[in-house]
Amino acid sequence: ETGVTQTPRHLVMGMTNKKSLKCEQHLGHNAMYWYKQSAKKPLELMFVYSLEERVENNSVPSRFSPECPNSSHLFLHLHTLQPEDSALYLCASSQGAEGLTDTQYFGPGTRLTVL
Amino acid sequence: GQNIDQPTEMTATEGAIVQINCTYQTSGFNGLFWYQQHAGEAPTFLSYNVLDGLEEKGRFSSFLSRSKGYSYLLLKELQMKDSVSYLCAVRDHQAGTALIFGKGTTLSVSS
Repeated sequence: ETGVTQTPRHLVMGMTNKKSLKCEQHLGHNAMYWYKQSAKKPLELMFVYSLEERVENNSVPSRFSPECPNSSHLFLHLHTLQPEDSALYLCASSQGAEGLTDTQYFGPGTRLTVL
Repeated sequence: GQNIDQPTEMTATEGAIVQINCTYQTSGFNGLFWYQQHAGEAPTFLSYNVLDGLEEKGRFSSFLSRSKGYSYLLLKELQMKDSVSYLCAVRDHQAGTALIFGKGTTLSVSS
């Protein structure tokens, strides 16, 4: 247990569905992240939130919409996805302090399959 | 741009020592991390280097040379349970606290 939880752990959805991924951290961190991990590819940063403000949007298509209502919760809203969006979606959190180690702690991920 | 390179796969024998190399190119280096990841699960933190030299933590050590853009993860007294993936990740000043990951190295330990 890293102190970062994600739900659901597995999700199968059609291309016309709308679903949301949820991440919660119990570490008192100020920064939260969404990463995408596809087979044979490195973890790709999608979004970064610091103190509930989005500070990074790594050229992610608009069918992915993040939401950070407070520093403990992060959502990823999904709409009209494509089969190539099938991947493991990982959430992470950190203190958000650039000058220090600022280790990121990851949740267990949501395995998403788009049919 | 930023680029991180590490071998895709490595094999080793139980009880032996293995060194997993990572080379990187980044304009504003601000730290290098090693993570361990079981297939389909969360990456877990192993080590952090920001200054040149060796950091030792039990059976795991990590080395950094900033001038060469090079790091390695050294695993001693290998066990079968070490057969997982090892991810090298770099932090860049331009990207704030975000990490740029390599593709990961899958290690297979045989008896």
